[in-house]
Formats: sequence, structure tokens, C-alpha cells
Amino acid sequence: DAKTTQPNSMESNEEEPVHLPCNHSTISGTDYIHWYRQLPSQGPEYVIHGLTSNVNNRMASLAIAEDRKSSTLILHRATLRDAAVYYCILRDRGNDMRFGAGTRLTVKP
Amino acid sequence: SQTIHQWPATLVQPVGSPLSLECTVEGTSNPNLYWYRQAAGRGLQLLFYSVGIGQISSEVPQNLSASRPQDRQFILSSKKLLLSDSGFYLCAWSRGQSFAGYTFGSGTRLTVV
Repeated sequence: DAKTTQPNSMESNEEEPVHLPCNHSTISGTDYIHWYRQLPSQGPEYVIHGLTSNVNNRMASLAIAEDRKSSTLILHRATLRDAAVYYCILRDRGNDMRFGAGTRLTVKP
Repeated sequence: SQTIHQWPATLVQPVGSPLSLECTVEGTSNPNLYWYRQAAGRGLQLLFYSVGIGQISSEVPQNLSASRPQDRQFILSSKKLLLSDSGFYLCAWSRGQSFAGYTFGSGTRLTVV
């Protein structure tokens, strides 16, 4: 899997939007961009994924740069329950997925 | 719908004792299966993955081993635990396609004393 780079930590205020960036300058044409989040003492949970076009689901939106070398996970209105470590991962046809350090999101009331 | 079960939730074992953690998946066939470990305050480390019965790929040399005796069963074992084996162990399953997401179990918190 290609490498991704994320900030170690970010802070947000409750009910404000949050933009979590991810750089993946060595992404290949067949890599899908996946985002997961891990709440304390739990396993990671799937958030969203995309290939080229922006994606929306009930949890978040994923904005993918035109050259695909970066992406941004958007939480439209952060809640205290969104405080977690967010992982950006590239997945190709390989059978394994490796997690980096992720971004620790703190949400302030 | 697919579900993944992992047990036990917590485990305290003495150094030198054996280990067996079990993970099962329901509602799907021929899943890819994975074992990850997360040390306290650290990221997830991929330990083993399997694309079929009896097929195990090891990522990190260590005193742990994995087996897949049945299509939807994945077992993590050790003959003699070390203090450094303490951590949060997570099982996951996925389809093999690059767009397929991973579903994780609830994890086992292992403390070796």
C-alpha cells in the first residue's frame, strides 16, 4: 500500500465543520482512498472511501483532489462523539491494508 | 448481514503461558481475514492475513502464529507469551477488492504479567 501523510492531531469546536487532510503523493491509478476512525478502546470503523470523484454518505464527505495526490475528509458538524483517531489509507488490489498513525481529532464543547 | 465475533474481550495471562484468540465471521464466504495488534498509545500493526483456508501470510517475525482451520475462523496463538505481547488485538475481515472496506471485531485487550 502507498504511504499517506496526515497531521498528528487537530482540534475542532462542537457543531463546526472539520476538514481532515491526507496527502498521498505516490498514489497509483488503481488505489482506492479509504478513511476509518477509531474511538477509544474500540476497533476501527469504516467511514468512507472513493477513487476519483467526491463522495458523500451519512457520516462524512470525501473530497479528492483532481490529481488524486491529496484528499480531505469533511465532517459537516462535529459532535463530541466524533472525537477519535482518523486514518487515511490507500488500498490497491493487495490483500492487506496498513494503518499509519492517523490524526487524533479533539472536539471541544 | 455479515458479523464478526472476537473473544475474549479481556485477558490477563502470565509470562510464558500459551495464548489462543479466536475470531469468526458469519454471513459471508471466503473472506480475507486479518489480525492486527495495537500497543498502548500506538497505531495498528498488521500481524497476519489470510486469503483462504490454510493460507497465512505473516508480516512481522515474532512468537505469535495464526491458523485458519475453517473458511470463517481465524485463530491467533502463542506457545509462550512475552511481556511485549501485551496489547489490543483486533480481527478484521474484508473482500479482496480494492474498493472493499474492512470490518473489525470488538478486540481483545491482552495484558501479560
